[in-house]
Amino acid sequence: DSGVTQTPKHLITATGQRVTLRCSPRSGDLSVYWYQQSLDQGLQFLIQYYNGEERAKGNILERFSAQQFPDLHSELNLSSLELGDSALYFCASSPWETANYGYTFGSGTRLTVV
Amino acid sequence: EDQVTQSPEALRLQEGESSSLNCSYTVSGLRGLFWYRQDPGKGPEFLFTLYSAGEEKEKERLKATLTKKESFLHITAPKPEDSATYLCAVQARNYGQNFVFGPGTRLSVLP
Repeated sequence: DSGVTQTPKHLITATGQRVTLRCSPRSGDLSVYWYQQSLDQGLQFLIQYYNGEERAKGNILERFSAQQFPDLHSELNLSSLELGDSALYFCASSPWETANYGYTFGSGTRLTVV
Repeated sequence: EDQVTQSPEALRLQEGESSSLNCSYTVSGLRGLFWYRQDPGKGPEFLFTLYSAGEEKEKERLKATLTKKESFLHITAPKPEDSATYLCAVQARNYGQNFVFGPGTRLSVLP
């Protein structure tokens, strides 16, 4: 157990729907990162939050949004889902604002859009 | 254009047969190169960080090295439990706080 908790583990939903993925970082970690992993794209950085504030944005679609709450858990909201959004979504956390020492990843949420 | 590539795409070894995985990168202002191990259906697990050419890190049967253009992950006398996908990731000046991950090498160690 890495200490980073992601729920749910699996999610199956229909095109056009909206889902929320949840991440609880390791105790004491202030940064949360979201990544998408698909078979053809590998791990793609989506967004980072540090202590409640957005710090960096990657290739995140406008249909996707995220936030980090005062208790430091984070949610990734995916809306108007398309078949191509099917992927593993990982959350990672670290104690610092910078990522110079790597992250700790959760086990991911597998999203299937049908 | 910044790029991270890994080779081979897949590698099958017999138990005890040592080998090396390659990660090649073309980025401006490398800040760090990271190796992760990923088991099927799991999140990547951090292994090493390398910051400058010539640096080496070791952990059990794994040894990571870094040059100005590539990194190698050497696996000595591997065991079946070393079977996993090995990912490298680079952090560069232009990327802010995120990483660019390579596609990975899928390693299978047969008993």
